[in-house]
Amino acid sequence: AQSVTQLDSHVSVSEGTPVLLRCNYSSSYSPSLFWYVQHPNKGLQLLLKYTSAATLVKGINGFEAEFKKSETSFHLTKPSAHMSDAAEYFCVVSTSGTYKYIFGTGTRLKVLA
Amino acid sequence: KAGVTQTPRYLIKTRGQQVTLSCSPISGHRSVSWYQQTPGQGLQFLFEYFSETQRNKGNFPGRFSGRQFSNSRSEMNVSTLELGDSALYLCASSLGGLGRYEQYFGPGTRLTVT
Repeated sequence: AQSVTQLDSHVSVSEGTPVLLRCNYSSSYSPSLFWYVQHPNKGLQLLLKYTSAATLVKGINGFEAEFKKSETSFHLTKPSAHMSDAAEYFCVVSTSGTYKYIFGTGTRLKVLA
Repeated sequence: KAGVTQTPRYLIKTRGQQVTLSCSPISGHRSVSWYQQTPGQGLQFLFEYFSETQRNKGNFPGRFSGRQFSNSRSEMNVSTLELGDSALYLCASSLGGLGRYEQYFGPGTRLTVT
């Protein structure tokens, strides 16, 4: 069975400081992992994906994530937060052949001026 | 390439009515999925269609149904609307089967049931 846990429902950072959004997953097989961002009243936008290639994945807007199989984690990071990063972020796990996309409960990122 | 489009963007309906939402996927994408998003329940998977066949279904009552046409466009129907159906309904398209391919989301249809 697959599952994904986003460890923080809310994260606050000051503008210009690093961002860390935590995600742990559970999957019986080699997973595909994704991070999406959702700004208020908008659809979800793909930030980055991991599909068994390089374990450090770079995405859009300066975000990156590292796949750590031993820790079953896929944390999202950004070196320096910008006000425009304030949004909700979703971690997603999927396994080929299951036709299921399992969403985490989301982490709301607040960026303080 | 044009993104996923959803129509209408906003909808207000009365309890007991029915509603049909439409989704046009990215050109070449054969998989379309539907999700319901509410503040209380978060993102919940409704169903996924691939080449006109429903391949997977979430835990929603039979009042929620969908279909996919030969051009991959999809519709979702909710009959006998309830107040709890008020939500943002998101459609997503994917090149192939879920699991390996990422999904691209539309802007959503905001349904309000009064």
